[in-house]
Order: sequence, then C-alpha cells, then structure tokens
Amino acid sequence: DQQVKQNSPSLSVQEGRISILNCDYTNSMFDYFLWYKKYPAEGPTFLISISSIKDKNEDGRFTVFLNKSAKHLSLHIVPSQPGDSAVYFCAASEVSVDTGNQFYFGTGTSLTVIP
Amino acid sequence: SQTIHQWPATLVQPVGSPLSLECTVEGTSNPNLYWYRQAAGRGLQLLFYSVGIGQISSEVPQNLSASRPQDRQFILSSKKLLLSDSGFYLCASRTKTGGYYNEQFFGPGTRLTVL
Repeated sequence: DQQVKQNSPSLSVQEGRISILNCDYTNSMFDYFLWYKKYPAEGPTFLISISSIKDKNEDGRFTVFLNKSAKHLSLHIVPSQPGDSAVYFCAASEVSVDTGNQFYFGTGTSLTVIP
Repeated sequence: SQTIHQWPATLVQPVGSPLSLECTVEGTSNPNLYWYRQAAGRGLQLLFYSVGIGQISSEVPQNLSASRPQDRQFILSSKKLLLSDSGFYLCASRTKTGGYYNEQFFGPGTRLTVL
C-alpha cells in the first residue's frame, strides 16, 4: 500500500512562474517530511524538509507547506528556472521511532521548466 | 557531511547470473543503511534496511539479499538475476543528530541492466 502519493506524474511550467508540486500521505504517525530532487542516472539530493510542528519552511526559492489535518504537503518553487527541471520526490518518516526509520517515498513528479 | 560510494556505476548482466553491488559510507558512524530500487518510470522502492552490522530487514520478498559485514558497508546480492531486476539501485544512509534521525543521503546509484 502506497503511504505517500504524488498524483501528478509530470508538470510543465514557464520559466519565472511558480511551480507547485503536491504530495499526500495516509499515515498520521508521520512527523518528518522531505523533498528530494533527482536528475537522471544520479542519486536523489536533499532539497528541503519540514517537521510536523511547523506548517511552513522556506529556503530561498523553495517553500514547503504542510497541512497535517489534510495529510498534504506541497513544494513551491518561485521563480522556476530551467535548471529546476528534474524529478521531485516527497518522502515521509516517523523521526523518533527507532525501527529503521525508513522514509516512505512518493512515485515522483517530473518537473519541466520551459525557457 | 556524509559521502556514499557505490560501485559499479553501471552493470550489464545476463539472466541467471549472480550480482554483487557494494555501498560504503564515509563521514559518519553507526548509520542506518538502505537499498532502494527505481525501476523505469516508477518511484523509489525500499528493498532492505539495516540498523547495524549483521542486521538486515527486508521490505519486499524477491530473489535479492543484503548483507552488512561492516558498520559502513552494505552489499546487495543475488544468486540468479531475473529480467525484472533491471533498474537503478540506490544506497542511502541516515544517522541520528541530537536524538533524532535526519534526512537520508543517497549514493550516486548503480544502473543494472539484465539481458
């Protein structure tokens, strides 16, 4: 059963506009969420995180929003740049559970920023 | 920060042949280690995780196995490869900071093609 879902497999945005990537989860015990960016044939790189005690975290052009009641998080990229074109994965975990602490990943959204 | 090495970078193997992928971690100690597979057009599937030497947990039943002979070494193996084993294999590491686990760091990946 997919505990973390990214329902949009792809997204195209004009350069300079906002990119919004969405992610939903089902496990209410998740308390730590991350976004990763992945280029083809490379490992994912960490982008931004948010813990469940916050509803927003910002880092430069990247902002992650968390809506715990809706079990939904989103990544906003403003302004979008062609170099942002990649696959974006959201991931969730229970940070304080000492049983391997694996992240559950969504299936990814392929973002294309059009120059 | 952590650095994760994986080799080989690419591998082409015939069906029925054995497999050994190696992952080593630098810059941390006592990490949790993970093997993921990304099949074409799909998300990241967790295969195995390890919380310590000799401790392996399997998430998906299959013809693959994992071993952790040293604290910072994680090996993925198979006795007989199947066509469905083709994919991009990623090793990841996660450690505790201040009592809580932080984000995962990923290696560069191994592209496996089974013919």
